[in-house]
Amino acid sequence: KQEVTQIPAALSVPEGENLVLNCSFTDSAIYNLQWFRQDPGKGLTSLLLIQSSQREQTSGRLNASLDKSSGRSTLYIAASQPGDSATYLCAVRRWAGTASKLTFGTGTRLQVTL
Amino acid sequence: SAVISQKPSRDICQRGTSLTIQCQVDSQVTMMFWYRQQPGQSLTLIATANQGSEATYESGFVIDKFPISRPNLTFSTLTVSNMSPEDSSIYLCSAHRNTEAFFGQGTRLTVV
Repeated sequence: KQEVTQIPAALSVPEGENLVLNCSFTDSAIYNLQWFRQDPGKGLTSLLLIQSSQREQTSGRLNASLDKSSGRSTLYIAASQPGDSATYLCAVRRWAGTASKLTFGTGTRLQVTL
Repeated sequence: SAVISQKPSRDICQRGTSLTIQCQVDSQVTMMFWYRQQPGQSLTLIATANQGSEATYESGFVIDKFPISRPNLTFSTLTVSNMSPEDSSIYLCSAHRNTEAFFGQGTRLTVV
């Protein structure tokens, strides 16, 4: 059974810092991995999608890497801003079919302070 | 990307009553997914909604408690029946496009 863990569970950093969020998964047989952002009491916003054949994806100040063989992904946020404060979730998909389910990590709650 | 509209965004309900949550996708999708997120927890899949057939429920979730409709390829509803305070959670619908998952804004349910 796939298990996805995110470390740290919570993180507080001053504005402007670069930071790294970690995601690890126990079964390396994944199709892709997706990073999401969730604001309190709200739905999930997709940030980055990495296919199993890719090593990294970038969008603006965000960079996600994937090391499938070691079961790890990182989300790098450059020059953090207070608006980045949210919970960040990673999720892995096992196969490509439309019925394929996601397994979610436990989340990292990020607070960026002024 | 896909745009998913979910409503209501929040509700406060009396125990013993039922609430129906609606989810509309901006284009046709094969599968829609319903999740529950209990306070401080990650997402747990309730069921997969298939158009033209009964929903497929995950272990621990039953149709009598969480009936789901999927009348067409862009719309689904989830009903939370005979609610108790333990049902207080965020409920989210999701759809996939090109193996990327998209979510609605969530429904924050409080049962009193």
